[in-house]
Amino acid sequence: DTAVSQTPKYLVTQMGNDKSIKCEQNLGHDTMYWYKQDSKKFLKIMFSYNNKELIINETVPNRFSPKSPDKAHLNLHINSLELGDSAVYFCASSTTGPGNTIYFGEGSWLTVV
Amino acid sequence: AQKITQTQPGMFVQEKEAVTLDCTYDTSDPSYGLFWYKQPSSGEMIFLIYQGSYDQQNATEGRYSLNFQKARKSANLVISASQLGDSAMYFCAMSPFSGGSNYKLTFGKGTLLTVNP
Repeated sequence: DTAVSQTPKYLVTQMGNDKSIKCEQNLGHDTMYWYKQDSKKFLKIMFSYNNKELIINETVPNRFSPKSPDKAHLNLHINSLELGDSAVYFCASSTTGPGNTIYFGEGSWLTVV
Repeated sequence: AQKITQTQPGMFVQEKEAVTLDCTYDTSDPSYGLFWYKQPSSGEMIFLIYQGSYDQQNATEGRYSLNFQKARKSANLVISASQLGDSAMYFCAMSPFSGGSNYKLTFGKGTLLTVNP
């Protein structure tokens, strides 16, 4: 069983389109995250949700909207896609609190053409 | 703010030898956690090892050990008896404990390790 799963794994789309990436975790964690890995492999947090409440919202364009319908799911919707949005998007989860390991999904490769 | 520095963009090691991947960090928080992740060419992020700033002993997980030197603010990863499957990108990351539920990882830029047969 995959602990943190995200779909789709690969996504190629045109500029201006709207797309969503879905994430589910079966670890019983109460905190979920979206991280972005750019073309230089640099990883940076975008959002985190704790018990469905938005906790962290880094300086991300408001074209990116996360939604957490329940503790086990965190989706990422992106409006009006731009070329610069091409990246790998990782979903992750952990239990609340410091020192707890954050477990990552396999990543979703988004290419905007 | 936290900062992680990995000064080795790439490292090479012979199979069965040990290798050390460097990581230094900067934080004003008195307590924090340090992590290492592995990213093989297939792309997934795999958790390897964790060290708490107040842990008295260096963390070990199988062939992985973390050489934690708090005064020097370094958290180097040591891989013993390298295997071909260890070839991957390795990321050092940290999170302060002060944030409560505002808990997130700050990553270094990574080190690409190549294990030669």
